[in-house]
Amino acid sequence: SQTIHQWPATLVQPVGSPLSLECTVEGTSNPNLYWYRQAAGRGLQLLFYSVGIGQISSEVPQNLSASRPQDRQFILSSKKLLLSDSGFYLCACMNGWDNSPLHFGNGTRLTVT
Amino acid sequence: GNSVTQMEGPVTLSEEAFLTINCTYTATGYPSLFWYVQYPGEGLQLLLKATKADDKGSNKGFEATYRKETTSFHLEKGSVQVSDSAVYFCAPLNNDYKLSFGAGTTVTVRA
Repeated sequence: SQTIHQWPATLVQPVGSPLSLECTVEGTSNPNLYWYRQAAGRGLQLLFYSVGIGQISSEVPQNLSASRPQDRQFILSSKKLLLSDSGFYLCACMNGWDNSPLHFGNGTRLTVT
Repeated sequence: GNSVTQMEGPVTLSEEAFLTINCTYTATGYPSLFWYVQYPGEGLQLLLKATKADDKGSNKGFEATYRKETTSFHLEKGSVQVSDSAVYFCAPLNNDYKLSFGAGTTVTVRA
């Protein structure tokens, strides 16, 4: 089964600084990849998803962008962080086109100060 | 896309109590249904799933039955433990292979 690596686990960044969160997947090929954000005490919001290299769909307008330079690499970025970007960011992977479940990484806790 | 309504928390129980977390969804067709669990400080883990009507998913003592007629997928456990303290998410799978998550239900089990 697939393994999802996310780093860093925690991050504290000042407002206006850039951001780069990386997610890599092992044990599968050509997966669907997702970035979710979980604000404190709230549910999960889908930010981006990708069905292939260079293919990114954005779910909500925001201060963030995503890229998929390789099949099993998904990067979340920002040029200038806002306070409202604080949250728990989760990378997820879905393998195949059947009823396979979504597998999650352990997440990155981002605090913008 | 699909949407889901989950029972609001937080829910606080004593050990060995019976747990039910209600989940209803709206969808076109018959989506696969999932329950995920998030332990403190961690990502989400798949708890159980059901892919068609009347299927029962089960894992770690938890069960949920896919009820097409009521569009529900309620999570139950007969006797909870302190280690079951977590946030639980119900999620139908959309036709475009995106999961729609409920707001999550925080469950705290006291010894």
